[in-house]
Amino acid sequence: GENVEQHPSTLSVQEGDSAVIKCTYSDSASNYFPWYKQELGKRPQLIIDIRSNVGEKKDQRIAVTLNKTAKHFSLHITETQPEDSAVYFCAASEGLTGGGNKLTFGTGTQLKVEL
Amino acid sequence: DTAVSQTPKYLVTQMGNDKSIKCEQNLGHDTMYWYKQDSKKFLKIMFSYNNKELIINETVPNRFSPKSPDKAHLNLHINSLELGDSAVYFCASSQDEEDRYGYTFGSGTRLTVV
Repeated sequence: GENVEQHPSTLSVQEGDSAVIKCTYSDSASNYFPWYKQELGKRPQLIIDIRSNVGEKKDQRIAVTLNKTAKHFSLHITETQPEDSAVYFCAASEGLTGGGNKLTFGTGTQLKVEL
Repeated sequence: DTAVSQTPKYLVTQMGNDKSIKCEQNLGHDTMYWYKQDSKKFLKIMFSYNNKELIINETVPNRFSPKSPDKAHLNLHINSLELGDSAVYFCASSQDEEDRYGYTFGSGTRLTVV
């Protein structure tokens, strides 16, 4: 089955700096790579995603890059703000024959943006 | 209007009891899931249902039994609760089209077994 590794487990940056979180996956059949943000006591929320036929995607201050050959993908947050502080999860997925898709999550990165 | 709603939000119960968690989605999604988030925040899939059909049963003890009465509902019943079942359980749903794969999660149910 799919295995997703995520680094670093904790990341502390100064407000205004950039933050980068990296993930690797094992199953070459995976074709969908979402990123989720989870604030303390809240549900994970989808912030950006990328499909395997795309190398890069950007949405305002966040961007995701995918290297399908190397099986790794990264989340980039620029101009970080205190409200970016949360746990971030990467995930990898392939479609299922019976419908839907199975997301395998990384172990999470606790991002802390300091004033 | 809450897209994916779970009840209850908190559940404290004694070992050996049986409990249920309910989940409903009003997004018209085809597939629903149960995930378990442990104390280290790791999210692991337990079950998925597509149009009331079980698709994934991920080596979960048979004390856990999901039930999907219709496409919009997926409930989780747990028998003979154990201390190790303490976790946050998230329901989620997704659409089947390839460009709409992203999950929408419910707000979670924090289960504490004492």
